Amino acid sequence: QEKVQQSPESLIVPEGAMVSLNCSFSDSASQSIWWYQQHPGKGPKALISIFSNGNKKEGRLTVYLNRASLHVSLHIKDSQPSDSAVYLCAVSMIPSSFSKLVFGQGTSLSVVP
Amino acid sequence: DAGVTQTPRHEVAEKGQTIILKCEPVSGHNDLFWYRQTKIQGLELLSYFRSKSLMEDGGAFKDRFKAEMLNSSFSTLKIQPTEPKDSAVYLCASRTGGGQDTQYFGPGTRLLVL
Repeated sequence: QEKVQQSPESLIVPEGAMVSLNCSFSDSASQSIWWYQQHPGKGPKALISIFSNGNKKEGRLTVYLNRASLHVSLHIKDSQPSDSAVYLCAVSMIPSSFSKLVFGQGTSLSVVP
Repeated sequence: DAGVTQTPRHEVAEKGQTIILKCEPVSGHNDLFWYRQTKIQGLELLSYFRSKSLMEDGGAFKDRFKAEMLNSSFSTLKIQPTEPKDSAVYLCASRTGGGQDTQYFGPGTRLLVL
């Protein structure tokens, strides 16, 4: 059973700071890794995904994947109060079209004006 | 296009009652998922349908939880009988059908069992 661990559990940063969120997974055969954002009272919303080793940048978001160390990180540049939310890391379990996601426990981010 | 719709948004039930939660996926999506979300366990998969066929029933949740996909645009999750430990947010998600496709989530139903 795939295990996904996220750190830190919570984070408070000032507006404009760079935010770094971490995620470790247990299965090196895992396929894509996804980051979701969840605001209170809402369902999770997909932000960015990565499949290949290395990094991927979209706007203020950059994600780094290192399959050898089973680690992925999400970095948010120039954080805004609207970025305050829970961030969920999810790993796609099997390399087929019947894949499903296993989620970590989440990191709660607060960006203070 | 409308996103994933879930009703009701909130539900309060007495222990032992039967409750039915409803979900309408994004039009044209072939895969539908039901999840339970709690602070302690996080997001747990309850059921997974592909083109209305049940692909996974979430193992530990088989006993009192039953998800059905009556047609490609409507799914229900029945909990019978409810127990206080079922208090959680129940989320429905859908995706086009490719393994690497984005899952789109509904707003969830918050269930409180007294």
